[in-house]
Amino acid sequence: ELKVEQNPLFLSMQEGKNYTIYCNYSTTSDRLYWYRQDPGKSLESLFVLLSNGAVKQEGRLMASLDTKARLSTLHITAAVHDLSATYFCAVDSRTGNQFYFGTGTSLTVIP
Amino acid sequence: KAGVTQTPRYLIKTRGQQVTLSCSPISGHRSVSWYQQTPGQGLQFLFEYFSETQRNKGNFPGRFSGRQFSNSRSEMNVSTLELGDSALYLCASSSTGGYTGELFFGEGSRLTVL
Repeated sequence: ELKVEQNPLFLSMQEGKNYTIYCNYSTTSDRLYWYRQDPGKSLESLFVLLSNGAVKQEGRLMASLDTKARLSTLHITAAVHDLSATYFCAVDSRTGNQFYFGTGTSLTVIP
Repeated sequence: KAGVTQTPRYLIKTRGQQVTLSCSPISGHRSVSWYQQTPGQGLQFLFEYFSETQRNKGNFPGRFSGRQFSNSRSEMNVSTLELGDSALYLCASSSTGGYTGELFFGEGSRLTVL
């Protein structure tokens, strides 16, 4: 079974600082997705990475994919309180739309 | 464009009962998948439907079932509820039949089993 690991599980960071969340997966895949979830809410799609070396940026978030290392990163630049949420990476199974999700990283940005 | 709509949003059941959850996908989306989210197990795939056919099923007991209608709306049913079935059930739709599909999630149905 495809396994997806994220670290760290919990991240507390000060406003204005930079940090990176890591997502490792266990089998070959060239498609990786990042989602954000606010407490009690659904999952919001952040990034869709569809090939090796893909890099996407939106505001203070930047995601990248290295399919050879089976690694994706979500980099946070100059964090602000509004970024506080849980972030999930997901890999699809190549059999329809069955996604395997990471454990999630709970991010708290402290003023 | 309306998003994925799930009903009911919250419900409370007792052990042994059954429950049916409904999902209306984004207009034009033909793939609907269901996920269970719990604090202990995280997000787990239940099943996926495309054009009224179940294409994939996750590792859940037969008490969990689903179906999709010709208008792409989907329902999932859980029979003989157990305490461990308490979870947020998320429905997601996708526009493609292959595995290119970005998933768009609904707000979820939060089930509490007492």
